[in-house]
Amino acid sequence: QITLKESGPTLVKPTQTLTLTCSFSGFSLRDTGVGVGWIRQPPGKALEWLAVMYWDEDNRYSPSLKNRLSITKDTSKNQVVLVMTNMDPLDTATYYCVHSNRLVVSLPFDYWGQGTQVTVSS
Amino acid sequence: DIQMTQSPSSLSASVGDRVTITCRASLSVSSFLNWYQLKPGKAPKLIIYAASSLQSGVPPRFSGGGSGTDFSLTISSLQPEDFATYYCQQSYSIPFTFGPGTKVDIK
Repeated sequence: QITLKESGPTLVKPTQTLTLTCSFSGFSLRDTGVGVGWIRQPPGKALEWLAVMYWDEDNRYSPSLKNRLSITKDTSKNQVVLVMTNMDPLDTATYYCVHSNRLVVSLPFDYWGQGTQVTVSS
Repeated sequence: DIQMTQSPSSLSASVGDRVTITCRASLSVSSFLNWYQLKPGKAPKLIIYAASSLQSGVPPRFSGGGSGTDFSLTISSLQPEDFATYYCQQSYSIPFTFGPGTKVDIK
């Protein structure tokens, strides 16, 4: 059974750096095809894809946020960490960790965490 | 970026109704199109992948169709647990993009 859970601060100040951790079980980032990514949803708005890391360390980022994002992994702990710099109130959102599999033709996000709410405010 | 649009933005329906949501991509995405269901306070759920493939565990009343730029999600007989917001998403090119969502609520 695949599960993912996000953790991190609920409140950050403008210009600060956000660090979110995704802890997962039921799969390994050593498994061929596996990817772990991040998606966010600002209040009242649509979903926005941020980044994904695949088992072969092929990392992909949203071009509009690439300069602010970094995704890393700790395979031994079954964790993926997303770092977003220079936070702005417009980054206020629920942040989701997702599982993907590059061996599935349309690369769907087939498992999601419950999400973690992040507010950016001074 | 490939822009995704959905229609309608919201709809009201009754239990047992047949409901169809459409999704359009600004460029062809072939069959790289997925559908998700979101409910408040719950983990989002993949419903359809590759435009028409039913995700494991999803009831067969859900179906998807289309290819290229025009897609649809149909619920053949709406059930109480189906009231939610539905999003389409293209995975043809980065950045992966989502539609604005369609909220299905009770009439």
